[in-house]
Amino acid sequence: KQEVTQIPAALSVPEGENLVLNCSFTDSAIYNLQWFRQDPGKGLTSLLLIQSSQREQTSGRLNASLDKSSGRSTLYIAASQPGDSATYLCAVGYTGNQFYFGTGTSLTVIP
Amino acid sequence: NAGVTQTPKFRILKIGQSMTLQCTQDMNHNYMYWYRQDPGMGLKLIYYSVGAGITDKGEVPNGYNVSRSTTEDFPLRLELAAPSQTSVYFCASSQYSTGELFFGEGSRLTVL
Repeated sequence: KQEVTQIPAALSVPEGENLVLNCSFTDSAIYNLQWFRQDPGKGLTSLLLIQSSQREQTSGRLNASLDKSSGRSTLYIAASQPGDSATYLCAVGYTGNQFYFGTGTSLTVIP
Repeated sequence: NAGVTQTPKFRILKIGQSMTLQCTQDMNHNYMYWYRQDPGMGLKLIYYSVGAGITDKGEVPNGYNVSRSTTEDFPLRLELAAPSQTSVYFCASSQYSTGELFFGEGSRLTVL
């Protein structure tokens, strides 16, 4: 059974700080890995998608990296803002249209 | 710019009742998915579809049924609702099997 773990479960940082969120997975035979943002009571918004052949993807202040051999991905957020406060989830894609989700990291950016 | 649309957003059911959660996407995606999200748990796949007329079970299909008569629509039917089906349900779609997932806003279901 595939397992996806996100640590820490919650993180609180002052505004302006750079931060790293972690996602680890047990089976390295992945197709892709996707990072999402979820606001309270809302759906999941895609942030970055990394295909298995890629090492990283960047969008604005976000940078996601992928290391299949170690079963890890990180989401780097630069110069955090209060508007970044949300829960961040990673989803690991495998063959057979199977995506496995972590339980998320709840981020609070303090003004 | 609708993307993936789910209805209803909220619903309260009594034990034993049945209902259908609607999901429509306007991106012409072949792949569609139903997930449930419970507190402290990652999203679990209920059913998925790789195209009109083709559906398959996910990790937690018991108590649910789906159909896919068109590319756009992928309704999820709950038969004989039970308290264990209290959850938030998300519909998602993607263009390819390894493509980016797009989610709806969710349907919050309570079974009393």
